[in-house]
Amino acid sequence: DIVMTQSPDSLAVSLGERATLNCKSSQTVLYSSNNKNYLAWYQQKPRQSPKLLIHWASTRESGVPDRFSGSGSGTDFTLTISNLQAEDVAVYFCQQYYLTPYTFGQGTKLEIK
Amino acid sequence: QAHLVQSGSEVKKPGASLNVSCEASGYTFTDYVLHWLRQAPGQKFEWMGWVNPLNGNPDYSHKFQDRVTMTSDASANTVHMELRNLRPEDTAVYYCAAGHWLITWGQGTLVTVSS
Repeated sequence: DIVMTQSPDSLAVSLGERATLNCKSSQTVLYSSNNKNYLAWYQQKPRQSPKLLIHWASTRESGVPDRFSGSGSGTDFTLTISNLQAEDVAVYFCQQYYLTPYTFGQGTKLEIK
Repeated sequence: QAHLVQSGSEVKKPGASLNVSCEASGYTFTDYVLHWLRQAPGQKFEWMGWVNPLNGNPDYSHKFQDRVTMTSDASANTVHMELRNLRPEDTAVYYCAAGHWLITWGQGTLVTVSS
């Protein structure tokens, strides 16, 4: 199985500043035939189901603010949240859909400093 | 807007079977595969498998394949997940989710396994 590892486990950032969340896979999730990274990011707020933010590593879902951006390729990925807002407090997960079983990182808990 | 509604919380004894349903609305049911996942306290999300509503074919995680069954009822826009021979470590919130990347999620079903 592909192991997904996120860092840091928790992060405190001031309002209006940038948060950088990392995700690393134990093997590539880049499919060479279509040059797509099979990597998604989710946001989970307390007592809510996860919400999809980004797929294909960098494609933002409709309705997701453009302060959320995804980058990276192969095995190393980053979710960047610019101009942090109070409503961004949540746990963020990365997930690979390159191979079954789909696997998730352990999450990064984002808080306001 | 795709929407998934799951059945309610369950309390089960070890060795029992669990049945959870997930009703889809707001999109064409056969457009998306439907996954089952779970989140145990303090653990990573675990992907249990998916079912393709187009043909009813499932694909199970090797971890669960000997005790899980996922089925699709296109007449009711509903998928079902049965997990047999429950253990205390199966205590978790169970989710259904639609799409190859998990576009929309159900509200979750809390399952407690305890004697």
